[in-house]
Amino acid sequence: AQKVTQAQTEISVVEKEDVTLDCVYETRDTTYYLFWYKQPPSGELVFLIRRNSFDEQNEISGRYSWNFQKSTSSFNFTITASQVVDSAVYFCALQLFDSGTYKYIFGTGTRLKVLA
Amino acid sequence: KAGVTQTPRYLIKTRGQQVTLSCSPISGHRSVSWYQQTPGQGLQFLFEYFSETQRNKGNFPGRFSGRQFSNSRSEMNVSTLELGDSALYLCASSDGDRGMVNSPLHFGNGTRLTVT
Repeated sequence: AQKVTQAQTEISVVEKEDVTLDCVYETRDTTYYLFWYKQPPSGELVFLIRRNSFDEQNEISGRYSWNFQKSTSSFNFTITASQVVDSAVYFCALQLFDSGTYKYIFGTGTRLKVLA
Repeated sequence: KAGVTQTPRYLIKTRGQQVTLSCSPISGHRSVSWYQQTPGQGLQFLFEYFSETQRNKGNFPGRFSGRQFSNSRSEMNVSTLELGDSALYLCASSDGDRGMVNSPLHFGNGTRLTVT
């Protein structure tokens, strides 16, 4: 089965708190890519990060960091010192090769509300 | 570069009607994908076009169809609309060959379709 699970439907935090968004994926493929996208109220999904299955290095970009662990099939996203502008729906996605082409499988998203 | 442009932004139709949505990808991008986003189902893949050919298709009924023109612009058509077709329809373009290999999707703002 190929699947992406974002168990947290909605999270509310107070500004400046740290928050972690969970993503668990399922695939039997050995080569795949993982992505995080942010969907602000305007609607468009904004690409945040891409990670391939052979690169388990964690990554930090400003207040954002990502923890990829193949052993637990997880690709979690942490926002440090959250801000109101971080309020959005965040999607985790799995890209893999299927039937001669690549396809994306998205999680159902986590709505993050950062309160001032 | 201009982003992905989707028109119209909002649409209200009645059951049984048909609708056509338009998407202009980022200049140079040859792959265009369509997704349906609903609160309950998250992002569901409709189809992907590359160089005017449908390369991949999701599990949607034949009422959903699409096409891509030589300039990479794409249209999506839904015939015999049903109440359940109410959703945000997102278009995404990519510059990756072979089905977006290692290439992130760039999304438009979406068309919000309401069927009454």
